[in-house]
Amino acid sequence: QLQLQESGPGLVKSWETLSLTCTVSGGSITISDYFWGWIRQPPGKGLEWIGNVYYSGRTNYSPSLKSRLTISVDTSKNQFSLKLTSVTPADTAVYYCARRKSYSGSGDWGRGTLVTVSS
Amino acid sequence: DIQMTQSPSTLSASVGDRVTITCRASQSISSWLAWYQQKPGKAPKFLINKASSLESGVPSRFSGSGSGTEFTLTISSLQPDDFATYYCQQYHSYPLTFGQGTKVEIK
Repeated sequence: QLQLQESGPGLVKSWETLSLTCTVSGGSITISDYFWGWIRQPPGKGLEWIGNVYYSGRTNYSPSLKSRLTISVDTSKNQFSLKLTSVTPADTAVYYCARRKSYSGSGDWGRGTLVTVSS
Repeated sequence: DIQMTQSPSTLSASVGDRVTITCRASQSISSWLAWYQQKPGKAPKFLINKASSLESGVPSRFSGSGSGTEFTLTISSLQPDDFATYYCQQYHSYPLTFGQGTKVEIK
């Protein structure tokens, strides 16, 4: 069974870079027709799509985050990663990684990891 | 960007009630819509794909309908396990966007 696990620092200082990794187990990240994505949820608020990556490295980003965002894939480690630069307290959220089949919603999610940005 | 608007934001209902949540898209998304259920402290659970296709293992009391710009999620007989927040999401085009959520509370 596919499992996704987010990892990374739970606390980041303002104006620094938030870096998270999602490790995929129970399946290959190089499977065709699947996208690997990040979604976040500020405390008490709704879901926000951040972006996704295909195993080839092709990416799609949220326009509101694009200037600060890099999502990459490491097929040798079966991982994909998120880097968000120049963070502020507004970036405090639970960050989820998820898998989505082409022309589908996201069927597989990690448990999420809370990242707090301190001012 | 395609804006997704859910209504109501909060819904109070009793066990056994029929519940309907509406999701409207700012432009046509055909049937490229997903519904999720989220409970506190948990990741969203994928309920319905392509507007009306129930995911495996999802109880048949859940159903989805609609196309174009207007969609509904219906729970035919609300069960205690169904009290949660529900989100719609369009995947017609990037950026993918979610509705703001509908919280189903106990009346």
